Amino acid sequence: GDSVTQMEGPVTLSEEAFLTINCTYTATGYPSLFWYVQYPGEGLQLLLKATKADDKGSNKGFEATYRKETTSFHLEKGSVQVSDSAVYFCALSAHGSSNTGKLIFGQGTTLQVKP
Amino acid sequence: DAMVIQNPRYQVTQFGKPVTLSCSQTLNHNVMYWYQQKSSQAPKLLFHYYDKDFNNEADTPDNFQSRRPNTSFCFLDIRSPGLGDAAMYLCATSSGRRGPGYFGPGTRLTVL
Repeated sequence: GDSVTQMEGPVTLSEEAFLTINCTYTATGYPSLFWYVQYPGEGLQLLLKATKADDKGSNKGFEATYRKETTSFHLEKGSVQVSDSAVYFCALSAHGSSNTGKLIFGQGTTLQVKP
Repeated sequence: DAMVIQNPRYQVTQFGKPVTLSCSQTLNHNVMYWYQQKSSQAPKLLFHYYDKDFNNEADTPDNFQSRRPNTSFCFLDIRSPGLGDAAMYLCATSSGRRGPGYFGPGTRLTVL
């Protein structure tokens, strides 16, 4: 079945450091890919998405490129801030006639940014 | 400004006492989802509505039911909560089945 694998956390960085959180997926067909962010005690916020190969999603300085050849959707940010500390979830939504819009999530990666 | 609203934000119930969680949306989206998220885990889909059509995930326990009286509202009923049902319950919406974009803030359920 479809699945998403993220790098294990926590990831601890100093402010202004470069961030990469790896995400790879397994899916039949061509899923849509998403990154969600969850701050402590809150729901999930859609950070960015990409719906087809080579698409780049971007938002608030975060970027991720849909790489079909490597089945990856790595999240990057050039300079992190303390306020970026949160849990980041990579997710996919399958396409096709049986698609329910169901999101399949990775296990989440905790990011801690220190001043 | 809020688009997906969940009430209450925190719910405490006793073992075996039925509880209902509420979700409303101002987006007029036709699909609404309920996810369960246990501590330090990824959210897991329980069921969803496509318009009025109810779709249950195969592994969702019978203890969980849902109602959608109109486009804007969706309820999650837990008939006899057990300790293992303590979790964050997230409501989400989407326009069509292209994947949800909008999650509510969640309701954290505690079972005593």
